[in-house]
Amino acid sequence: QVQLIESGGGVVQPGRSLRLSCAASGFTFSMYAMHWVRQAPGKGLEWVAVISYDGRNKYYADSVKGRFTISRDNSKNMVYVQMNSLRAEDTAVYYCARDSDMATVVGFFDNWGQGTLVTVSS
Amino acid sequence: SSELTQDPAVSVALGQTVRIACQGDSLRTYYASWYQQKPGQAPVLVIYGKNNRPSGIPDRFSGSSSGNTASLTITGAQAEDEADYYCNSRDNSGNHLRVVFGGGTKLTVL
Repeated sequence: QVQLIESGGGVVQPGRSLRLSCAASGFTFSMYAMHWVRQAPGKGLEWVAVISYDGRNKYYADSVKGRFTISRDNSKNMVYVQMNSLRAEDTAVYYCARDSDMATVVGFFDNWGQGTLVTVSS
Repeated sequence: SSELTQDPAVSVALGQTVRIACQGDSLRTYYASWYQQKPGQAPVLVIYGKNNRPSGIPDRFSGSSSGNTASLTITGAQAEDEADYYCNSRDNSGNHLRVVFGGGTKLTVL
């Protein structure tokens, strides 16, 4: 079965960096676009970024553009998000999620990880 | 702020039918998908596209769309359906691919 396992969360000071990882298994990883979605404590879902199945195309929410970088390693079935210049408002549970269609981005998330908590605080 | 608009809270009597709406300009171009999220858990996809249910989702969940509004209908709501529900869709405003979510609707089953 499809499994997505995030790691790398923790407490970080404002202005510092953090890299989150997501390990995928149970499907042909290289055929699917992958997303990061976050949820601030007590708040709704916010899409963060997407990377195409081949890693060529990357798109970001305005709130993280220029600070976050999504990447993937299809040889390791891994997707990452490098988060720089972190702010208090980046505090959230970060989920990786699989796009529902192969080889395209439709923006439907058919599988989610359990999430990893990032807390930005001094 | 969300580009898709949802009512913050809706309630339904046990066994009755409830419709949760989602409005936004992107829905004129793209289908919505719907997610159920229970406290402390990751979201679960319940409806996507025109009206598709992933394997394992009960057939009491259905979706529809008209103009700039997408709807999730639960026919015969059960106690276990009490949760937060989020809609989302793709959006190409500004010639830049992005994905937008609604603010979520908290469903209470009475």
